[in-house]
Amino acid sequence: GQQVMQIPQYQHVQEGEDFTTYCNSSTTLSNIQWYKQRPGGHPVFLIQLVKSGEVKKQKRLTFQFGEAKKNSSLHITATQTTDVGTYFCAGPIQGAQKLVFGQGTRLTINP
Amino acid sequence: NAGVTQTPKFQVLKTGQSMTLQCAQDMNHEYMSWYRQDPGMGLRLIHYSVGAGITDQGEVPNGYNVSRSTTEDFPLRLLSAAPSQTSVYFCASIPRLAGVSYNEQFFGPGTRLTVL
Repeated sequence: GQQVMQIPQYQHVQEGEDFTTYCNSSTTLSNIQWYKQRPGGHPVFLIQLVKSGEVKKQKRLTFQFGEAKKNSSLHITATQTTDVGTYFCAGPIQGAQKLVFGQGTRLTINP
Repeated sequence: NAGVTQTPKFQVLKTGQSMTLQCAQDMNHEYMSWYRQDPGMGLRLIHYSVGAGITDQGEVPNGYNVSRSTTEDFPLRLLSAAPSQTSVYFCASIPRLAGVSYNEQFFGPGTRLTVL
């Protein structure tokens, strides 16, 4: 079954509010990736984290990789309507070549 | 480069019919994969390939076959379509999959399949 869990499944915010989605793996990950999928579109790569405790920023987006490399988070500061979509994390199962995705967090924004 | 292309974009099948979803990439990527996306289930891996002539099963392989005779093409075959296979199918590719190598997945635009 799914070994990468993501919460929450849905999040609705007012424009300007912050948003966070969390990703947890049952096994240690060598790296973790984050993707964004706009409604009706396909997933698009945002970033990859590799190092334990790594933090990366892309403008209003902050990505973190946990010290144990089993969890990760994506935080968006001051959401904008262009942030609408579903955010997925994905990681390779330890010792395997399978890339597994979390269920995704669907973000909707009230302008 | 065209990137990852998928055909058809939409397809309606009757139960029991067979068909092949096409996927091609022109980036010389080693790794290719097929996912299905269902509401609330995220993206689930069906089959993947780490190179020409090599394929393996993902999370939900039943009812699907794949082959990888060339680096560029990775078709997905539905042997006998069932309503449970109604979904959006995405093909993706990666330059290579090894440890901490750069692993960005490039996705195709998807095929929306309905099985009646």
